[in-house]
Amino acid sequence: EVQLVESGGGLVQPGRSLKLSCAASGFTFSNYYMAWVRQAPKKGLEWVATISTSGSRTYYPDSVKGRFTISRDNAKSSLYLQMNSLKSEDTATYYCARDRGPDYWGQGVMVTVSS
Amino acid sequence: DIQMTQSPSFLSATVGDRVTINCKASQNINKYLNWYQQKLGEAPKRLIYNTNSLQTGIPSRFSGSGSGTDYTLTISSLQPEDVATYFCLQHNSGPGTFGGGTKLELK
Repeated sequence: EVQLVESGGGLVQPGRSLKLSCAASGFTFSNYYMAWVRQAPKKGLEWVATISTSGSRTYYPDSVKGRFTISRDNAKSSLYLQMNSLKSEDTATYYCARDRGPDYWGQGVMVTVSS
Repeated sequence: DIQMTQSPSFLSATVGDRVTINCKASQNINKYLNWYQQKLGEAPKRLIYNTNSLQTGIPSRFSGSGSGTDYTLTISSLQPEDVATYFCLQHNSGPGTFGGGTKLELK
């Protein structure tokens, strides 16, 4: 059974950093692109980052480019999202998702950026 | 980045109705269009991938169509459990982009 379990969320002050993790199981992690998607409270879905199977290629929308970094450790079947210079508009539930047109999603982790 | 315009943003329908939701891309997305259902408090669930392929386990009343820039999700006979918000996603190029969502309620 495919499982994606996010961790690392919480309350953080504007301008600070936070790192999210996603532990994957039930499939060969190294064979899949992975992604982070977020959803602000009562809002729609927003793509945050994509990473290729080897980690050599990454993609970000302009809203997070230069502040967020996606990475992976295939040996540990883990995905990460380093978030720097956080803003209040980054407050959202962050989902780890498998593949570029995601078929599996984690349950999400809440990140609140507030002073 | 590619922009996705989804319509309508809100839809009220009766059990048994045929329901359609549309997404229009700002450029050709080569049928790399998925549809997701999200119920309150849950993660999104993929219904349709690559325009018209039904995800395993999803009822056959859900179907997708389209090409180029215009895509449609159809529910052939609305059921009470279909109350949810629906999103389209293009994954043709760059970071994916979602439509704004359609909130579907029972009349």
